[in-house]
Amino acid sequence: QKEVEQNSGPLSVPEGAIASLNCTYSDRGSQSFFWYRQYSGKSPELIMFIYSNGDKEDGRFTAQLNKASQYVSLLIRDSQPSDSATYLCALSYNTDKLIFGTGTRLQVFP
Amino acid sequence: EPEVTQTPSHQVTQMGQEVILRCVPISNHLYFYWYRQILGQKVEFLVSFYNNEISEKSEIFDDQFSVERPDGSNFTLKIRSTKLEDSAMYFCASSDFRASYNEQFFGPGTRLTVL
Repeated sequence: QKEVEQNSGPLSVPEGAIASLNCTYSDRGSQSFFWYRQYSGKSPELIMFIYSNGDKEDGRFTAQLNKASQYVSLLIRDSQPSDSATYLCALSYNTDKLIFGTGTRLQVFP
Repeated sequence: EPEVTQTPSHQVTQMGQEVILRCVPISNHLYFYWYRQILGQKVEFLVSFYNNEISEKSEIFDDQFSVERPDGSNFTLKIRSTKLEDSAMYFCASSDFRASYNEQFFGPGTRLTVL
């Protein structure tokens, strides 16, 4: 069973702080990793993807991948109240489906 | 910016009835997907579709489900005889898989309520 694990949260951070969201996965064959943001009652919105070990930065977001430890994370710098949402980690193998974690709820308070 | 669209936004039906959920994928994408999300649970893969045929389906996607691309723009999910447990948000997604790393873009979803 291929699993994606996330802490459900909520993770509460003050405005302007760095939010760190973590995800572990069970299958070393995983190839690509995705972070989606989902506001309540809305659809998943792609934030970024990563497929190589190391860091990938896009604006206030940084994804980090460590395949040896089977770990992927998302850092959000200068967190804003509008970042309050559920963050979904997803991965794909050599097939085309995405496997999602249950998501981590982030709350950014003013 | 191109986006995936879905209709209707909310569908209420009686148990045992057939429903058809409709999606218009992003125009230059070749790979289409349906996912569902039961309230409070994770997003689950149902089926993927490429070149007018199913490329992969999950255990959830049993004989009650079918997909179709009836024309050059629409992609539909049919549930033949709905059950109470089919109540969920259904998301359509599309990607240009082979050209990138399977970035899938989701539509706004259809909330299906089975009574």
